[in-house]
Amino acid sequence: KAGVTQTPRYLIKTRGQQVTLSCSPISGHRSVSWYQQTPGQGLQFLFEYFSETQRNKGNFPGRFSGRQFSNSRSEMNVSTLELGDSALYLCASSPDTVRETQYFGPGTRLLVL
Amino acid sequence: QKEVEQDPGPLSVPEGAIVSLNCTYSNSAFQYFMWYRQYSRKGPELLMYTYSSGNKEDGRFTAQVDKSSKYISLFIRDSQPSDSATYLCAMSAGSGNTGKLIFGQGTTLQVKP
Repeated sequence: KAGVTQTPRYLIKTRGQQVTLSCSPISGHRSVSWYQQTPGQGLQFLFEYFSETQRNKGNFPGRFSGRQFSNSRSEMNVSTLELGDSALYLCASSPDTVRETQYFGPGTRLLVL
Repeated sequence: QKEVEQDPGPLSVPEGAIVSLNCTYSNSAFQYFMWYRQYSRKGPELLMYTYSSGNKEDGRFTAQVDKSSKYISLFIRDSQPSDSATYLCAMSAGSGNTGKLIFGQGTTLQVKP
């Protein structure tokens, strides 16, 4: 089975812009979670989507949003970018039976200038 | 205080040594316990998954969960230079928080030939 894929892999934006990141889960996985990873805060949960519905949300401002499509692919959007949004954004997918066993993609490295 | 505490290291051991990695946590609702390995500039890779208390073994890796002490461990036997990476513990309460993983900061391990 192909793993989780994320596009783009690298992105450079400037403050105030918005960005959309994409994630394709492992075939058959309907749960997709998003995380932000920074050296200072580590891995922090953003949100989880299951069957096109947001099931859980972390403690991030409303500038961070996401959605899931009927084929389980997911996108996350960050509006009005801030310097502090520079991070590795990781997407993970999991099987329906145990949504805690998450398989991560390679991440999208976002740099905000 | 963070919900999950993990010593960031770095931990340096000679090849062939037994490595012990640990995490403590404060949330007694955690039921799912995972260990991930992350190589530099890659996404985390799921190594071990344990539900509730007990031990689990997979090849050179053994995971232990002691819920009474709120303490989990990962042991690596016959460590190899290829084991050099950052090891992250992750936990979830399941139920209403299904799909939401809380991560430790990660321990950097170096195995010297």
